Amino acid sequence: QVQLLQSGAELKRPGASVEVSCKASGYTFPTFDISWVRQAPGEGLEWMGRISGHSGDTNYAQKFQDRLRMTRDTSTSTAYMELKNLKSDDTAVYYCARHWVAGRSTSDWFDPWGQGTLVIVSS
Amino acid sequence: SSELTQDPAVSVALGQTVRVTCQGDILRSYYATWYQQKPGQAPVVVLYGNNNRPSGIPDRFSGSSSGDTASLTITGAQAEDEAAYYCKCRDGSGNHLIFGGGTKLTVL
Repeated sequence: QVQLLQSGAELKRPGASVEVSCKASGYTFPTFDISWVRQAPGEGLEWMGRISGHSGDTNYAQKFQDRLRMTRDTSTSTAYMELKNLKSDDTAVYYCARHWVAGRSTSDWFDPWGQGTLVIVSS
Repeated sequence: SSELTQDPAVSVALGQTVRVTCQGDILRSYYATWYQQKPGQAPVVVLYGNNNRPSGIPDRFSGSSSGDTASLTITGAQAEDEAAYYCKCRDGSGNHLIFGGGTKLTVL
């Protein structure tokens, strides 16, 4: 079955960087984009950006443009999300998800999602 | 900037029908996608596109849209439907995605 398996929890100091991995299985990795979404404790969902599994092209939310980098390795079917210059309000669960698009881009949906990776930023 | 607005909380009696709404001008251009999230779990898509349900999602979940408002309707709510529900769609640029703030559904 299709599965996205994320790396484990991280504890980081303010100003540091974190990289979260997302290993896909059960489908042909280059045929889908991967989106990343985060959720601060007790808060809602926030889309961070997406990466093409085929070309590696990226599209980031404006909020993260200057400190977010997404990459992928097609040989291992793994996507990576690196967030730099971490702040305390980056403490959140970070999710990857397979990104579907249909209907001339009038509809996007994420299925499945990874299990989530908790990143805690604290001094 | 594009925004999606949801009621923070809604309640429904067991077996009754409940509607969860999502409002935003951008919904005139794009379909909303709906996710269900239970505590401690990753979200799960329950509706996408023009009222499409992924396999495994019960048919008591349905969607509709009118003007700037998209709705998720649960007909005959069950205890296991108690969760947070998030709407999502593209923003005005057409290149980015935005989520609503989420609605906490309580089944009484």
